[in-house]
Amino acid sequence: GAVVSQHPSWVICKSGTSVKIECRSLDFQATTMFWYRQFPKQSLMLMATSNEGSKATYEQGVEKDKFLINHASLTLSTLTVTSAHPEDSSFYICSVSPGTETYNEQFFGPGTRLTVL
Amino acid sequence: QKEVEQNSGPLSVPEGAIASLNCTYSDRGSQSFFWYRQYSGKSPELIMFIYSNGDKEDGRFTAQLNKASQYVSLLIRDSQPSDSATYLCAVNAGGTSYGKLTFGQGTILTVHP
Repeated sequence: GAVVSQHPSWVICKSGTSVKIECRSLDFQATTMFWYRQFPKQSLMLMATSNEGSKATYEQGVEKDKFLINHASLTLSTLTVTSAHPEDSSFYICSVSPGTETYNEQFFGPGTRLTVL
Repeated sequence: QKEVEQNSGPLSVPEGAIASLNCTYSDRGSQSFFWYRQYSGKSPELIMFIYSNGDKEDGRFTAQLNKASQYVSLLIRDSQPSDSATYLCAVNAGGTSYGKLTFGQGTILTVHP
């Protein structure tokens, strides 16, 4: 399967600060990456689709001004949580797919656990 | 609202038994279906995907898809304690929703020695 890395693996920050999370596709170029969020004891929820060279597409209910996504290269997408608050504490996971067909499997990064104090 | 529902857990089976995990989905146009395993504190790991009606086998795992019934299942044969995890069913609606996975709530499986 695809190798996907995320950095950092965990981060603790104070309320009001911004946090940047990186997602890298290590073994193929990804024009599209996906960002998910998972709250404790809940399932994954898609936040946004990151498109290389263009604006991200956000799911309903996700604030695009709060969760800034930049997909500047075919191997890197970043998610910046701006002015983070305790309710943003969650497990953030990115995923990539090696193809553009709907049956292509998605591979997830190891995730970044964000704790906002 | 596109929904994916998994059988309520937790599910407990003895070592060596068959574990059966079920999932139904509401969007009849869904095209591909995935089973992920997630250990506590870790990200999901792909086990299998299926997009044609019928069975698909990979080692101890068998995925079954019935699009008419909007039902997909995962069977784990010869269950091992290391199979203890949360199993997530995910559905891809396809079309313009390419890549967007909708996840079920997960079923916690415990395999006891």
